Amino acid sequence: DARVTQTPRHKVTEMGQEVTMRCQPILGHNTVFWYRQTMMQGLELLAYFRNRAPLDDSGMPKDRFSAEMPDATLATLKIQPSEPRDSAVYFCASGLVGGPLNIQYFGAGTRLSVL
Amino acid sequence: SQQGEEDPQALSIQEGENATMNCSYKTSINNLQWYRQNSGRGLVHLILIRSNEREKHSGRLRVTLDTSKKSSSLLITASRAADTASYFCATDMGAQKLVFGQGTRLTINP
Repeated sequence: DARVTQTPRHKVTEMGQEVTMRCQPILGHNTVFWYRQTMMQGLELLAYFRNRAPLDDSGMPKDRFSAEMPDATLATLKIQPSEPRDSAVYFCASGLVGGPLNIQYFGAGTRLSVL
Repeated sequence: SQQGEEDPQALSIQEGENATMNCSYKTSINNLQWYRQNSGRGLVHLILIRSNEREKHSGRLRVTLDTSKKSSSLLITASRAADTASYFCATDMGAQKLVFGQGTRLTINP
């Protein structure tokens, strides 16, 4: 049963600490997306990669957020230093862009609370 | 501003009734998709309609697309308690990414 796996599912940290969220996309998918969801802003696209190369990270605060894809089975989103306003649910999604259907498959999310 | 905007923001109906949600968008699209999000979970793809299609069915789901009005609707027939979730439309404009709307929160009352 192919699915996108995100770890950790929940993270509570203090302001100023580094946070790393991990995502294992579905094998064979060529594009990975990072989203942030809050009640106020809804679902925001932070960054996405195609074939491990960053295509667009314009939705991401550059000073504290970074996204990487060290290999085809792992994508990471890092926040350093974290702030209370970063509290949200962060989703990773993967898809096969360029195929007949541009459908995204989402992980269960990482719920981040920054105190 | 959002490419896709759902209406209504929230909808509460009785089990067995039909639920209709609408989505409007601003620019031309390759396709439009609907996703469901159960509480505390990730989004799940429900159905995709291409820009040259007008209507599509999948089980109890019916999606329509009117490209002249830049709008789509999702109809869920014979609703069940398990249909309680948030529903999002997403537009594919050919830029590899999808643009999601703010969602409609659907509550099915037993």
